[in-house]
Amino acid sequence: DSGVTQTPKHLITATGQRVTLRCSPRSGDLSVYWYQQSLDQGLQFLIQYYNGEERAKGNILERFSAQQFPDLHSELNLSSLELGDSALYFCASSVDRAPGELFFGEGSRLTVL
Amino acid sequence: DQQVKQNSPSLSVQEGRISILNCDYTNSMFDYFLWYKKYPAEGPTFLISISSIKDKNEDGRFTVFLNKSAKHLSLHIVPSQPGDSAVYFCAASARGRDDKIIFGKGTRLHILP
Repeated sequence: DSGVTQTPKHLITATGQRVTLRCSPRSGDLSVYWYQQSLDQGLQFLIQYYNGEERAKGNILERFSAQQFPDLHSELNLSSLELGDSALYFCASSVDRAPGELFFGEGSRLTVL
Repeated sequence: DQQVKQNSPSLSVQEGRISILNCDYTNSMFDYFLWYKKYPAEGPTFLISISSIKDKNEDGRFTVFLNKSAKHLSLHIVPSQPGDSAVYFCAASARGRDDKIIFGKGTRLHILP
């Protein structure tokens, strides 16, 4: 158990819909990272927050947005969903702002039909 | 643009022998490298890391070697055990520049009995 909690574990929805994925970091961790794992694509970095502020952005689509709340949990919002958005979405947390060891949640599997 | 490349999608090694997983990177700003291990239905877990000021880091059966001039790192597992069968991800970051941690696509390691 990494201490990082992601909900929901599985989500099935239709194209055009909007979903929210939630992440609770390990106790004491200030940084939250979001990654997308599609088939054969490895872990694609989406976005990182540190103590409520956006710190780094990867190849995150404009239809996707995220935020980190004062209690340090984070949400990833995916809108106007397309079939290609079907993937495993991982959240990870770390203590520091500087990149280092990440602790990953078990992921949220999104299926868009 | 794949900045971190793991060119072998899979690797099979006999139990007890050495497993060598390779990783190449293109961004000369990367100064911190990590290896993660992932079992099915779980999030990746941190294995070992190395800073660019070193060329070797060892932790039990796991050793990571870094060749900066070749922009290449490798993970050695010796002796290989059945529980080592998993997907291994190489990751890199430029700690002095931004907070991103970029992952490769992973190598699936099969340990044969």
